[in-house]
Amino acid sequence: RKEVEQDPGPFNVPEGATVAFNCTYSNSASQSFFWYRQDCRKEPKLLMSVYSSGNEDGRFTAQLNRASQYISLLIRDSKLSDSATYLCVVSRQGGKLIFGQGTELSVKP
Amino acid sequence: GAGVSQSPSNKVTEKGKDVELRCDPISGHTALYWYRQSLGQGLEFLIYFQGNSAPDKSGLPSDRFSAERTGGSVSTLTIQRTQQEDSAVYLCASSFGGADETQYFGPGTRLLVL
Repeated sequence: RKEVEQDPGPFNVPEGATVAFNCTYSNSASQSFFWYRQDCRKEPKLLMSVYSSGNEDGRFTAQLNRASQYISLLIRDSKLSDSATYLCVVSRQGGKLIFGQGTELSVKP
Repeated sequence: GAGVSQSPSNKVTEKGKDVELRCDPISGHTALYWYRQSLGQGLEFLIYFQGNSAPDKSGLPSDRFSAERTGGSVSTLTIQRTQQEDSAVYLCASSFGGADETQYFGPGTRLLVL
């Protein structure tokens, strides 16, 4: 079993749809939590950090439940430009990142 | 400002040869990380350097892999006696260090071992 597990993809949604990604992690020593975005044949880029209180950045909302070891990402009013692979990531002491396999999102016109 | 740079961008080599991959981190970043992304394996941690501390090598897959960081800046990842399963994208990232700091990734080196 992988340390960080994500929803299997791909998610194919129409423009304007709301889409939710879920992720679980198994190591309770994980210190920080992130969603990264990776476009095809490009490097990963930080989308947002995830906090227990929940945080929002425009159309994106992330949530962390430490008790359940569960992380989520909600994308509202999806755009064509949101098409990418979304990576659930946890970090350990020192900053070593542990990545989920990623969930591919394809937003169609 | 300049981001993380890596060279070469692509490398094709023959099985059994040694390769060196280079990473130039963002100026001022004290932490430097190497990751590998291969088909079916996703992104996996290899090694990280933080300041003058001993590197965390816990992710290196075999003793054919080694890395060094000279002068607290540039890093070189060396793979000796390459095997076909070493084919992957090797990504370098840097940050100010710490579990909650944003890591900035370079464009990666695509390695193909024939």
